Amino acid sequence: EVQLVESGGGLVKPGGSLRLSCAGYGFTFYKAWMTWVRQAPGKGLEWVGRIKNKNEGATTDYAAPVKGRFIISRDDSKDMMYLQMNSLKTEDTAVYYCATETTSFEYWGQGALVTVSS
Amino acid sequence: QSALTQPRSVSGSPGQSVTIPCTTTSSDVGGYNYVSWYQVHPGKAPKLIIYDVTERPSGVPYRFSGSKSGNTASLTISGLQAEDEADYYCCSHAGANIWMFGGGTKVTVL
Repeated sequence: EVQLVESGGGLVKPGGSLRLSCAGYGFTFYKAWMTWVRQAPGKGLEWVGRIKNKNEGATTDYAAPVKGRFIISRDDSKDMMYLQMNSLKTEDTAVYYCATETTSFEYWGQGALVTVSS
Repeated sequence: QSALTQPRSVSGSPGQSVTIPCTTTSSDVGGYNYVSWYQVHPGKAPKLIIYDVTERPSGVPYRFSGSKSGNTASLTISGLQAEDEADYYCCSHAGANIWMFGGGTKVTVL
C-alpha cells in the first residue's frame, strides 16, 4: 500500500525558515516524481513545486509565489523528499501536502500545517 | 485569480446529475490532455477522481466522469449521493513545467 507521511510543520515567525519532510512507503520512491501542494485556510489548492527523479536530473520547478524562497530536495536512500521554506510570509500559512506526480497527483499524504505568524 | 475558472458552487438532489465546468481562456486546458480532478472533504487530503481528462482511477465510482471540449474541461457526477458533498478542483498542466488548479467548486447535496 502506497503511503506518504509529511512531518515538520509548526508555527514560525515571518521571515523565518522551516523544513518539511515527506516519507514515502510502498512504491519505488527513486523512480517517482514528487510534488508539493498547499491549501491555505479557507482557500483552494495551490501547486507549490516538484522534483523529478534522479534519472531526469532531479530537477526542480516552482510556482511563482515561492520561487527563490523554497527549495525542494530528495534523498532516495531514505525514500524522503524535503521542502525547505525560507523568508516565510504570513500568506504561506497553509496545510502542505506531498504527492506523487505523473500526469496527475495520484497519491497524497495527510498534510502538515505550517502557520506563519508573529 | 486562477486561470482555470470553476463555479463557486453547484447543488443537486440525490440521484440527480451535476456538471462542474473548468474553463480557461488560454491554451493550458485546451492544449493539453493532462486535466485531472480532485475531491476534497473538509479536513481530509485531496483524492484523485479523474486523470488524463477522462480516466478514472481504480476504486473511483463509475458515476464520476470527465470530458473536455475546446478550452473547457468538465466533471459530471451522475446519480448524486450524500457522500459526494465535497469540494472539487480541476487541475491542468500549464506548460513551462508547472501545474495550475482551478478555484474549486463546492458540491451540495440537497
